[in-house]
Amino acid sequence: ILNVEQSPQSLHVQEGDSTNFTCSFPSSNFYALHWYRWETAKSPEALFVMTLNGDEKKKGRISATLNTKEGYSYLYIKGSQPEDSATYLCALGEYGNKLVFGAGTILRVKS
Amino acid sequence: DAMVIQNPRYQVTQFGKPVTLSCSQTLNHNVMYWYQQKSSQAPKLLFHYYDKDFNNEADTPDNFQSRRPNTSFCFLDIRSPGLGDAAMYLCATSRGSTGSPYEQYFGPGTRLTVT
Repeated sequence: ILNVEQSPQSLHVQEGDSTNFTCSFPSSNFYALHWYRWETAKSPEALFVMTLNGDEKKKGRISATLNTKEGYSYLYIKGSQPEDSATYLCALGEYGNKLVFGAGTILRVKS
Repeated sequence: DAMVIQNPRYQVTQFGKPVTLSCSQTLNHNVMYWYQQKSSQAPKLLFHYYDKDFNNEADTPDNFQSRRPNTSFCFLDIRSPGLGDAAMYLCATSRGSTGSPYEQYFGPGTRLTVT
């Protein structure tokens, strides 16, 4: 059974700060690593899907990296803004169309 | 816009009183999923449908059932809700093996309270 761990559990930063979170997992037996952003009262929104060791993805101020050999992924936010406040979930895509989620990192950006 | 819709957004039910949560999609996706997320925990897959094929997770309690009458709709039935079933219930869809199999698209969730 895959166990996905995210750290930190929560994070409070000031507007303009850059920040990063970690997603760690013990196995490389999966086909993709997903990052989702989940704002309060909205649907979880897909940020990135990464499949290969060394993958790096970027969308605006947000980027992510994947290291399957050592079992981690980092999500970076450059120059955090209040609208970045959300829960950031990572999930491993198992064969058979399943996702195994971590518990998420709650980010609060103060203006 | 194509989307995943969940109704209601908030549901209050009494201990032991059956409740049904609804999910619909306009994406025409093959696969529909139900996840349960309890406070501060990871969303946990309960079951999923690949077209009409039902796939139950091994540790999903018998109290939880699902129906998928057509491609667009999927229901989660909780036969006798207990206090421990209070949670956020998320519905998601994906294309399955055609096109990109990787992405899942989520609804906003239904928050269930059991009194």
